[in-house]
Amino acid sequence: GAVVSQHPSWVICKSGTSVKIECRSLDFQATTMFWYRQFPKQSLMLMATSNEGSKATYEQGVEKDKFLINHASLTLSTLTVTSAHPEDSSFYICSASSGPSYNEQFFGPGTRLTVL
Amino acid sequence: KQEVTQIPAALSVPEGENLVLNCSFTDSAIYNLQWFRQDPGKGLTSLLLIQSSQREQTSGRLNASLDKSSGRSTLYIAASQPGDSATYLCAVSSETSGSRLTFGEGTQLTVNP
Repeated sequence: GAVVSQHPSWVICKSGTSVKIECRSLDFQATTMFWYRQFPKQSLMLMATSNEGSKATYEQGVEKDKFLINHASLTLSTLTVTSAHPEDSSFYICSASSGPSYNEQFFGPGTRLTVL
Repeated sequence: KQEVTQIPAALSVPEGENLVLNCSFTDSAIYNLQWFRQDPGKGLTSLLLIQSSQREQTSGRLNASLDKSSGRSTLYIAASQPGDSATYLCAVSSETSGSRLTFGEGTQLTVNP
């Protein structure tokens, strides 16, 4: 149980385009979802926390207009990178929790974004 | 603000050796601590979750301990195998971080056949 999927697993796009990444909890209802970014040889950095039906809470330094997060249902959250640039190239990982944010988080397999 | 440190940053051992990975955190008011494994280019695999009221958790050849008062956790891997080669991450959920997970930088483990 507690499986989280991400789609796509990797994406290459041209600079200036927008990219949408989906995160789904397959066998449980995720009241809270988290989006992380990981640069090579570095650890995970939390970008934002989203609760179903409400606006996401962004970490300091993360542009909310650039990284649009939608948590429209208890099993789906999306991250849209708008007007992507090469510096946005990274590994994006989502996680989901069925309770308060201090409950165990279950992680997706990640999405590799490369912006040319 | 919670800070998590992992030592060593990298470790190389021969197959069959028992080993210990260390994790320390600055704020002892934690909800839980998790150990994860990450293979290159992959997501995170949860290994063990220790709640703040617990002292240790075991799963197969893995044993994780938690000492809240000293702000430390260890991950013990018995009889290491080449398939254990990966980066091991420690993450803490604590009140001062608004319940968000704070990750350490990880320990890159290589088990040589």
